[in-house]
Amino acid sequence: QVQLVESGGGVVQPGRSLRLSCAASGFTFSNYPMHWVRQAPGKGLEWVAVISYDGNTKYYADSVKGRFTISRDNSKNTLYLQLNSLRVEDTAVYYCARTKGRSWSGNPTDYWGQGTLVTVSS
Amino acid sequence: DIQMTQSPSSLSASVGDRVTITCQASQDISNYLNWYQQKPGKAPKLLIYDASNLETGVPSRFSGSGSGTDFIFTISSLQPEDIATYYCQHCDNLPPAFGQGTRLEIK
Repeated sequence: QVQLVESGGGVVQPGRSLRLSCAASGFTFSNYPMHWVRQAPGKGLEWVAVISYDGNTKYYADSVKGRFTISRDNSKNTLYLQLNSLRVEDTAVYYCARTKGRSWSGNPTDYWGQGTLVTVSS
Repeated sequence: DIQMTQSPSSLSASVGDRVTITCQASQDISNYLNWYQQKPGKAPKLLIYDASNLETGVPSRFSGSGSGTDFIFTISSLQPEDIATYYCQHCDNLPPAFGQGTRLEIK
């Protein structure tokens, strides 16, 4: 069965960095684009970034562009999100999610991980 | 960027009631509209994609309709386990924005 397991969250000071990981299993990871979506405490869902199945194409929300980097290692079935220059407003649960299909265009996310909490606080 | 406006923001209904949530896109998104259910402390779950297609394993009391800019999500007969927050999301282009969510409570 499809499984996505995030890790790497924690408490970090403003301006510092963190790397999140998402370990995938139960499907051919290299066939699917992958997303990161976040949810601030008590708030709604915010899309963060997407990466193509081969890792060659990446897009970011304006709120994280230039600070966050999405990447993947298809040999390890793992998705990453590097979070740099963290701000208090980046505090959220970060979810990885699989695209239902080969392309993110026109396709929903059909499997989500359980999320990892990032808290940015001094 | 396309904005998604969802209403109502909260809703209280009785078991067995028909429940309707609406979602409006700021521009034509064809049928590239998804609906997710999120229970407290859990990840979102895909219920409906392409505006009206039921995801595998999702009960048939859930349905969706619409195209262009206006969409409707319906629970035909509310069950206690349907207590959750529901989100619409477009996937017409990037960024794939979500609506602000509808918190559904049992009366």
